[in-house]
Amino acid sequence: AQKITQTQPGMFVQEKEAVTLDCTYDTSDQSYGLFWYKQPSSGEMIFLIYQGSYDEQNATEGRYSLNFQKARKSANLVISASQLGDSAMYFCAMREANAGNNRKLIWGLGTSLAVNP
Amino acid sequence: NAGVTQTPKFRILKIGQSMTLQCTQDMNHNYMYWYRQDPGMGLKLIYYSVGAGITDKGEVPNGYNVSRSTTEDFPLRLELAAPSQTSVYFCASSYLKHYEQYFGPGTRLTVT
Repeated sequence: AQKITQTQPGMFVQEKEAVTLDCTYDTSDQSYGLFWYKQPSSGEMIFLIYQGSYDEQNATEGRYSLNFQKARKSANLVISASQLGDSAMYFCAMREANAGNNRKLIWGLGTSLAVNP
Repeated sequence: NAGVTQTPKFRILKIGQSMTLQCTQDMNHNYMYWYRQDPGMGLKLIYYSVGAGITDKGEVPNGYNVSRSTTEDFPLRLELAAPSQTSVYFCASSYLKHYEQYFGPGTRLTVT
């Protein structure tokens, strides 16, 4: 069954350091997409980055990069040069190509990141 | 371009009352979704729609109803509110290249 696992309920990082948030997934599909979202304490869900299963290069968006290891079925989010504003919940999600036309996402339970000054 | 808007932001209901959570998007997205997020938890899909006139159940549809008469609007109806429906409700829409979902600000609902 399709599943997203985020094994780190909480993480701490020192300001200006890099941090990696883990995400593993389970799918039998060859074509799929992986997403990361940020949810600050204010509650909104913010799309951060996308990685397609056929993308040869790891996705990057500013200070965010996705460490995609297909054979290990992992899609870890790397945040470089952490800032205090990065303190938030981070969710990993997956969309499968054979999920029909509903474009549903499968969500992990999230990792809470705290950036210390 | 306001994106996805939701009203109200907060609401307190008494057990047995009904209400409609409004969701509107101005991005001409075909796909729309309703999620609930319980404290400290991830998102659970309630209902979704792939276009006007087409809706389907998600993981946790019981106690809710939806309609999609236009591309822009996707209201969520709660009938006979129960304390178990106390949650934060998010509406989202998607269409773009990778079908990433864009979220509204959420509605915090308390049923007492």
